[in-house]
Amino acid sequence: GQNIDQPTEMTATEGAIVQINCTYQTSGFNGLFWYQQHAGEAPTFLSYNVLDGLEEKGRFSSFLSRSKGYSYLLLKELQMKDSASYLCAVLDSNYQLIWGAGTKLIIKP
Amino acid sequence: IAGITQAPTSQILAAGRRMTLRCTQDMRHNAMYWYRQDLGLGLRLIHYSNTAGTTGKGEVPDGYSVSRANTDDFPLTLASAVPSQTSVYFCASSDSPDTGELFFGEGSRLTVL
Repeated sequence: GQNIDQPTEMTATEGAIVQINCTYQTSGFNGLFWYQQHAGEAPTFLSYNVLDGLEEKGRFSSFLSRSKGYSYLLLKELQMKDSASYLCAVLDSNYQLIWGAGTKLIIKP
Repeated sequence: IAGITQAPTSQILAAGRRMTLRCTQDMRHNAMYWYRQDLGLGLRLIHYSNTAGTTGKGEVPDGYSVSRANTDDFPLTLASAVPSQTSVYFCASSDSPDTGELFFGEGSRLTVL
């Protein structure tokens, strides 16, 4: 079966750095996506990786290793507004998005 | 305002009643999707449409139906609601069915009693 694993919850301090991991086992691979979802709101697209390596976008970076079935989202200089759930999703060989359950990130002052 | 609009925002419904959740997008996206989101679970695909006039079943289609008469609208109907359909429903769209970059509506919170 297809599976995406990510931690249920993480806590970090304002101004610090946090890494949210995602491992996946899917039928084929056509890209990995990270979304941010604030409580009570819709998910919004953050990043896309299809090749191995690091993609940087401001304070957020996303890394992919296809051979290991592994990705992480790195958030630097954490701000209180970064408190949200972060969803990892993989586009499989049928171009269906497989979603992880999300990681709730709590930022403390 | 460009984007996706869902209605209603929230609804309490008696079991056995019929309910249609509306979804409209003005981005001229080809693909549209309906997901449900439940606590502790990932987004689960109910139905999708790769282009106007076509629809397909997702992971959890039972008890739901959709139609795609035109590019902009993609309503989701619960023919006879049951309590297990209590959830938050998100409509989403994408420029192409081959991308994972989706644009989501604000969600419809449905409670079935």
